[in-house]
Amino acid sequence: GAGVSQSPRYKVAKRGQDVALRCDPISGHVSLFWYQQALGQGPEFLTYFQNEAQLDKSGLPSDRFFAERPEGSVSTLKIQRTQQEDSAVYLCASSSREHTDTQYFGPGTRLTVL
Amino acid sequence: GNSVTQMEGPVTLSEEAFLTINCTYTATGYPSLFWYVQYPGEGLQLLLKATKADDKGSNKGFEATYRKETTSFHLEKGSVQVSDSAVYFCALSLTGFQKLVFGTGTRLLVSP
Repeated sequence: GAGVSQSPRYKVAKRGQDVALRCDPISGHVSLFWYQQALGQGPEFLTYFQNEAQLDKSGLPSDRFFAERPEGSVSTLKIQRTQQEDSAVYLCASSSREHTDTQYFGPGTRLTVL
Repeated sequence: GNSVTQMEGPVTLSEEAFLTINCTYTATGYPSLFWYVQYPGEGLQLLLKATKADDKGSNKGFEATYRKETTSFHLEKGSVQVSDSAVYFCALSLTGFQKLVFGTGTRLLVSP
């Protein structure tokens, strides 16, 4: 079956622009995660959904970051008024109800803010 | 807080050499431990995991044992191949909190 997909794969934004990053999890997976991976670093947790409910958003770095999953499947991470420090790879992962400790990752979206 | 510390890379080995990548953790509870691998141009893939003390995770010739007494989860492989060249991430998650906490990653370069 299809894995986790993300779009776009690459995004270049001018400072101050708003961006929207999309994640399509594995079909039927109830849990969805967003991570931010800076160059040369490990991924850092941003936020977590169980179905459409956002249960943990403790990792969102500022109120410019917003995530949603309105129908419990596709999710969008939105960054308003992008800054250079937002440049990173944004990773999405999903997991099933039966195997909650196994997360499957998408290829990521590389965001570059100029 | 909860954190993972990995040895810095790159680790450079010749084909068929023995591999060890060290990983230690700090956790407020009883974590599950993971090794993820990121091949060039690809997404993170789960390599192996262990959910309780003394468990050994294994996959594709890689092994790691959950050592509670030393808070470690070192990754080992007896004979590496060029195709093992990748970045390896150690990670933990706490029961009831599904988010993963990652180390900074260790790049492995295997030459023929």
